[in-house]
Amino acid sequence: EPEVTQTPSHQVTQMGQEVILRCVPISNHLYFYWYRQILGQKVEFLVSFYNNEISEKSEIFDDQFSVERPDGSNFTLKIRSTKLEDSAMYFCASSGTRAGADTQYFGPGTRLTVL
Amino acid sequence: GDSVTQMEGPVTLSEEAFLTINCTYTATGYPSLFWYVQYPGEGLQLLLKATKADDKGSNKGFEATYRKETTSFHLEKGSVQVSDSAVYFCALTYSGGSNYKLTFGKGTLLTVNP
Repeated sequence: EPEVTQTPSHQVTQMGQEVILRCVPISNHLYFYWYRQILGQKVEFLVSFYNNEISEKSEIFDDQFSVERPDGSNFTLKIRSTKLEDSAMYFCASSGTRAGADTQYFGPGTRLTVL
Repeated sequence: GDSVTQMEGPVTLSEEAFLTINCTYTATGYPSLFWYVQYPGEGLQLLLKATKADDKGSNKGFEATYRKETTSFHLEKGSVQVSDSAVYFCALTYSGGSNYKLTFGKGTLLTVNP
């Protein structure tokens, strides 16, 4: 069964450093998302991406964040200058017309720890 | 804006007990409703969904019915197992357009004891 994959599973970085979180969505999907979950809290929407552009972003997704789909298979989230409060689990998700665009499939997540 | 409210956890049950986790929503339109499950140390997995009023989603013995009149989507299971121990998230989204972002509730931790 196709699945969303994410790398790395755990990333530790120093405050102020840039990080890139990588995702490979399900191959025929058209809609891509990033969410985050701070430990013990609810899952929060960050950004959605469709047709090679951002379709919506939350107030969390400020100028320090960016997304790219560089090669038609990968979907990346970059944080330019990490802050302590960026420590969280980051989930990538995708959805597509086959299963219904409103049904999202999540990756296993990348745990980001900012020291 | 849209929001999802779930019953506060944690919920602790004995094996074979009946489970209900309440979920209500506030929405400006007619959303699709979902339950996602997160097992310890893992990501989110879709458990079930319903896309319109009176639809019943079901999977792995879990059920939830989309009630427009009470804006609710309560999760039920007749007989829980230890393996059902996880965090359960209720969520909504809208169909159509170029964005199907999910709005989640806070999650309910379920622990099932043998």
